[in-house]
Amino acid sequence: AQTVTQSQPEMSVQEAETVTLSCTYDTSESDYYLFWYKQPPSRQMILVIRQEAYKQQNATENRFSVNFQKAAKSFSLKISDSQLGDAAMYFCAYRKGGSEKLVFGKGTKLTVNP
Amino acid sequence: DAGVIQSPRHEVTEMGQEVTLRCKPISGHDYLFWYRQTMMRGLELLIYFNNNVPIDDSGMPEDRFSAKMPNASFSTLKIQPSEPRDSAVYFCASRLDSVYGYTFGSGTRLTVV
Repeated sequence: AQTVTQSQPEMSVQEAETVTLSCTYDTSESDYYLFWYKQPPSRQMILVIRQEAYKQQNATENRFSVNFQKAAKSFSLKISDSQLGDAAMYFCAYRKGGSEKLVFGKGTKLTVNP
Repeated sequence: DAGVIQSPRHEVTEMGQEVTLRCKPISGHDYLFWYRQTMMRGLELLIYFNNNVPIDDSGMPEDRFSAKMPNASFSTLKIQPSEPRDSAVYFCASRLDSVYGYTFGSGTRLTVV
C-alpha cells in the first residue's frame, strides 16, 4: 500500500524568510499525482500545489514551489517570503493514476513568527 | 462559485443518537468524496460517488455508517447509532477533472458524548 510520510510534525519560520517542508512517499506505481494541501485554523483544506509524476519540471504557484525527486520519492514544498497567513497545517498527499483515493501524510504544523 | 458546502459546521450528540451530515458539491463536479480526520488516523477516505453512484465504500468503518447521494447537488453521511469513537471532523470534497485535486468543504466537527 502506498504511504506518505511527513517527518516534521512542526516547523517555524520568520516572516519574509523561506521554509521547506519535507514529504516522502512509497509507491511502485509510475503514474501518480502529488499534492500539498494547506489547512488553516478555519479547518478548510486548500489545495496549494500539485505535481504530475510524469512531469520532470517542478511545479510552482507564486511563492510556493516543490522539489520533486522522483527517484528518491521525495516531494518537498518550499514557501518563499513567508507571510503570517501561511501559518497552517500542511498535508502532503498522493494519488495513484486511475484511482480516486488520496493518501495523506500526518501533516506539518507551520508557525510564522513576525 | 460558493464552493463545497457542508452542514452543520459543528454537531454535538449523545451516544446512540442518529447523526446526519450534509454536503452540497460544486455544481458540475461529478465526483464526491467523504473523508474523516482524526488525530490518531489522520485523513481517511470513507466513500466516494461518481455521477451519484457509490463507487467505493471500502473505507466506511462499520455498518453504522451509510452515505447517499440522491442527486448531483446533495449528499448525506449518516451514523446510526453514533458512538464516542466517531468523534472527528468529517469532510466532503468534490472534483471535476482527474488531474486536479479535490475542492474540500469546511468540514463538520462531530462530537459524540
